[in-house]
Amino acid sequence: GAGVSQTPSNKVTEKGKYVELRCDPISGHTALYWYRQSLGQGPEFLIYFQGTGAADDSGLPNDRFFAVRPEGSVSTLKIQRTERGDSAVYLCASSPIGGRENSGANVLTFGAGSRLTVL
Amino acid sequence: AQSVAQPEDQVNVAEGNPLTVKCTYSVSGNPYLFWYVQYPNRGLQFLLKYITGDNLVKGSYGFEAEFNKSQTSFHLKKPSALVSDSALYFCAVRDPTLSGNTGKLIFGQGTTLQVKP
Repeated sequence: GAGVSQTPSNKVTEKGKYVELRCDPISGHTALYWYRQSLGQGPEFLIYFQGTGAADDSGLPNDRFFAVRPEGSVSTLKIQRTERGDSAVYLCASSPIGGRENSGANVLTFGAGSRLTVL
Repeated sequence: AQSVAQPEDQVNVAEGNPLTVKCTYSVSGNPYLFWYVQYPNRGLQFLLKYITGDNLVKGSYGFEAEFNKSQTSFHLKKPSALVSDSALYFCAVRDPTLSGNTGKLIFGQGTTLQVKP
């Protein structure tokens, strides 16, 4: 598509439930990133995919969080046993090439985000 | 540890006046610096970046930023503000020693710019 698409735009769930958030990056972008933005804060890095593999998952807060990108395009962020502290906007971004230094690799295109509310 | 600070939660400017949104950083070595803007219900949009070269960087929508190494600052500026510039602005830094993940950015907490007619 023309931009980065994220679904759902809003998700309300109960504490303890399982949640999946989907990201459809710009066609041809091999690098995909997930960030989390809590209220009043800047985005915080969660995980980076180069192609199908998670090249850097150092930002995932704990083992309840997991992400996949099985075909190197669409990615799903999965949160198990949700907690109230997981409430945030989850942002997905993509870029042409993630691991090389060039003018395109450094610029991220973000989706509008998925707002997760855990009651 | 690398960090970014945006000391102002909100900046208020009258339309037509110059605006400045401040950003300071702390990173070892030469930083890669970015400004992104976030409009309500929309994703962050890239404005400009400094990687190397000229300290004055020009970006989208008439914005510019000046890299000042001695003051470790990268303030965002615009000569004449528009009401439509009202949005949330984020400064971000990337550690240049981090290889292989060029999209791992550290963002400031954001500054709300309010331009009044």
